[in-house]
Amino acid sequence: DVKVTQSSRYLVKRTGEKVFLECVQDMDHENMFWYRQDPGLGLRLIYFSYDVKMKEKGDIPEGYSVSREKKERFSLILESASTNQTSMYLCASSSGLAGVANEQFFGPGTRLTVL
Amino acid sequence: GQQVMQIPQYQHVQEGEDFTTYCNSSTTLSNIQWYKQRPGGHPVFLIQLVKSGEVKKQKRLTFQFGEAKKNSSLHITATQTTDVGTYFCGTALIFGKGTTLSVSS
Repeated sequence: DVKVTQSSRYLVKRTGEKVFLECVQDMDHENMFWYRQDPGLGLRLIYFSYDVKMKEKGDIPEGYSVSREKKERFSLILESASTNQTSMYLCASSSGLAGVANEQFFGPGTRLTVL
Repeated sequence: GQQVMQIPQYQHVQEGEDFTTYCNSSTTLSNIQWYKQRPGGHPVFLIQLVKSGEVKKQKRLTFQFGEAKKNSSLHITATQTTDVGTYFCGTALIFGKGTTLSVSS
């Protein structure tokens, strides 16, 4: 079974803190994605990566950065957390070309609260 | 930019009734995927459609991809309480906002 794991299910941080969200997949997938999910707004793509050290901006990259040093790991970084970044963060991975990727496997999500 | 719209946003049905959610893209899609997210869970892949006019069935679920590859639909026949959740359509790079289905017995 494909597994996508995320470092925390729940996280509480203070405004201005640097926050790291980690995602690891065990199926040797080329593509990895970070989304945030907010009520009424669905899934919005923050960043994705189709190869090690490669990254592409999604729809809402402002305030975020990412790192992919190893194929299995994709990190989302909030350089200076703000209250409007309180959200559910979902990581996903897939094989194939990013634009026509195969089915995505999602992690369980990290619910981040910024106070 | 590209948009994927899904309607309705919410739908409540009595158990046994049918349900349909519609997905419309502002641009032609190379493929479309459907996911289901149960309350408190994460999205789980249901199906991928690739060909123009494609129709696929999974038990009580029927998925269609439009001839122009700009729209798609998911139809559930005789809903059950286990169908409760939010159904998303889209590609890896963009999703609709989802349709949340509730079912009362």
